[in-house]
Amino acid sequence: DAKTTQPTSMDCAEGRAANLPCNHSTISGNEYVYWYRQIHSQGPQYIIHGLKNNETNEMASLIITEDRKSSTLILPHATLRDTAVYYCIVRVAGSDSWGKLQFGAGTQVVVTP
Amino acid sequence: SQTIHQWPATLVQPVGSPLSLECTVEGTSNPNLYWYRQAAGRGLQLLFYSVGIGQISSEVPQNLSASRPQDRQFILSSKKLLLSDSGFYLCAWSVLGTPLNEQFFGPGTRLTVL
Repeated sequence: DAKTTQPTSMDCAEGRAANLPCNHSTISGNEYVYWYRQIHSQGPQYIIHGLKNNETNEMASLIITEDRKSSTLILPHATLRDTAVYYCIVRVAGSDSWGKLQFGAGTQVVVTP
Repeated sequence: SQTIHQWPATLVQPVGSPLSLECTVEGTSNPNLYWYRQAAGRGLQLLFYSVGIGQISSEVPQNLSASRPQDRQFILSSKKLLLSDSGFYLCAWSVLGTPLNEQFFGPGTRLTVL
């Protein structure tokens, strides 16, 4: 699975949009981009995933560049409860790696009042 | 609806003692099951995964073992704990046959080995 690079940390003001970047320059054509987050002392929570089209759900939007070498997770209106470590993961869909997620260090996002 | 349980929530054990952590899933059948560990200040590391009863795959060599005696039960064990086994242990499940689907994580067990 492709390796991802994320900033170690970032701050965001409450009510503003939080844009979380992720680089995955070695991504393959059959690898998807997943985002999870982990609030302190809890298990990770799935946010969103995509292949090449931009995706949006009730939690966030995922913007994937045309060359698929990077993506951005957008939290449209950050709240204090969005303070968490955000993980960007890319992985192949296939029988050899069913469901396995390789977590990196992630980005610690702190939302301030 | 589906739920995942882990127990105990916290555990303090001496070095050399045995370990048994249990994870159970309700509301789904034939799930993929996973054990992850998160050391203090580190990311999550996949330890084991299972696609069915008695089928266990290990991701990294270690002092731990896993078993799946029932479809929705996943157990993490050790015969003799090491200091390095301390961490936050998370169980997760996903729906078998849909590899793109999300994983659902349990509340975790915080293990401290002294």
